Formats: sequence, structure tokens, C-alpha cells
Amino acid sequence: SQQGEEDPQALSIQEGENATMNCSYKTSINNLQWYRQNSGRGLVHLILIRSNEREKHSGRLRVTLDTSKKSSSLLITASRAADTASYFCATVPFLNSGGYQKVTFGTGTKLQVIP
Amino acid sequence: DAGVTQSPTHLIKTRGQQVTLRCSPKSGHDTVSWYQQALGQGPQFIFQYYEEEERQRGNFPDRFSGHQFPNYSSELNVNALLLGDSALYLCASSRDRSYNEQFFGPGTRLTVL
Repeated sequence: SQQGEEDPQALSIQEGENATMNCSYKTSINNLQWYRQNSGRGLVHLILIRSNEREKHSGRLRVTLDTSKKSSSLLITASRAADTASYFCATVPFLNSGGYQKVTFGTGTKLQVIP
Repeated sequence: DAGVTQSPTHLIKTRGQQVTLRCSPKSGHDTVSWYQQALGQGPQFIFQYYEEEERQRGNFPDRFSGHQFPNYSSELNVNALLLGDSALYLCASSRDRSYNEQFFGPGTRLTVL
């Protein structure tokens, strides 16, 4: 089963515009990660945000996390045609006992950036 | 520095057959996780190998098994293939059983006819 659900399922924008995609999850988390996947190939790790962080930046990427609403958003600014890909959020649950819990991926947002 | 490699790239099998997929982790990584990704879906965790043992497992039947070798490379075996096993199989590597910042291979596309 999928822990996270991305919204929207698909997004089409013009090059230069900003793209925002959202992720909602169900259980308490240790951290949340965003990955990119080009054309059904391997995933590339973009950014990790921990449960005690509210916002994080990496280049043109901005991620926010609202643990009270169990949601996160990924903003890509000044989009480029090369940003065309599927974007997935992945959550690592929080365990009171510590130890390791497996990561769970969401359903993904398919982004198309039109040149 | 080679990243994560997987072989083969594509594979076509018929129902009931058995398949073995292979993965070599990124240099310096000791942990390998396997995922199944159906078309249009997110990756689903199959299991994780660390120190040559299966450490965690997702909701997959015993038909899915694996192995990790002393050089940290790994195999995924699927027996008695079903049509529903058709998917992209992804291998990811990391350090110390962590799921933070996994490095993924390009995947093996399995088609079961």
C-alpha cells in the first residue's frame, strides 16, 4: 500500500513557470524525501526534510513540511524542459523504539514542462 | 565512480517460470533494497539486504526471495511468475541500512506473458 499520495497526479506548465506538487501521508514520520524519475528509469534523490524542519532549499527546489497536517510540498522555480519527469515523495516512519523502518513511496506527480 | 548497476535491462518470461535479477551497489554502500514499480505507480518495497541477510520485508509473497553476496551485490529471485509480476524492478543502495538518500539503479523491466 502507498503511504503518501501526491497531488496533482499530472501537471503541465510552460518553461519558466513555477511547479508546485503536494504530498499527504498518514502516519508520524522521521523524515520525508522527494525523488525524481525520468521516463520509467531509476529514481534520483532530490531532498530530505526531517520532521523537526519546516522548510528546506536546494537550488531551484523548495520543500515545506507541515507535520500537523501530515503534508509536504515541493516547489520547482523557473522550470526547464529538463524538469519533465515524475516526482515522488517518500516517507520514513517514526518509531518510538528507534530502529529501522522501511521507506514508503507515494503515487507520484507527472510533470510536463513545455518549452 | 560507478553508480548502482542492474542486469538485465529487459526480460521477457512466461507464466510459471523463474527469474533472477542482479544488482551491484554504489561503491562504498553495503545495503541493498529492492522495489517493484507497476506502470503508473510508485515503487513498492520488497525487501532489504544487509550483511548478507534479509533485514526487512514488504508485503510480498515467499515467491520473492533474494540474496546478498560478500561484495554487497544482490540478486532478486521470483518463482512461479504471474502476469501481475510484470513491472519495473528497482534496486537501491545505501549505507548502514539507512533509507535516507538511497541511490537507485536504472531498473530491470520484466514482462510476463
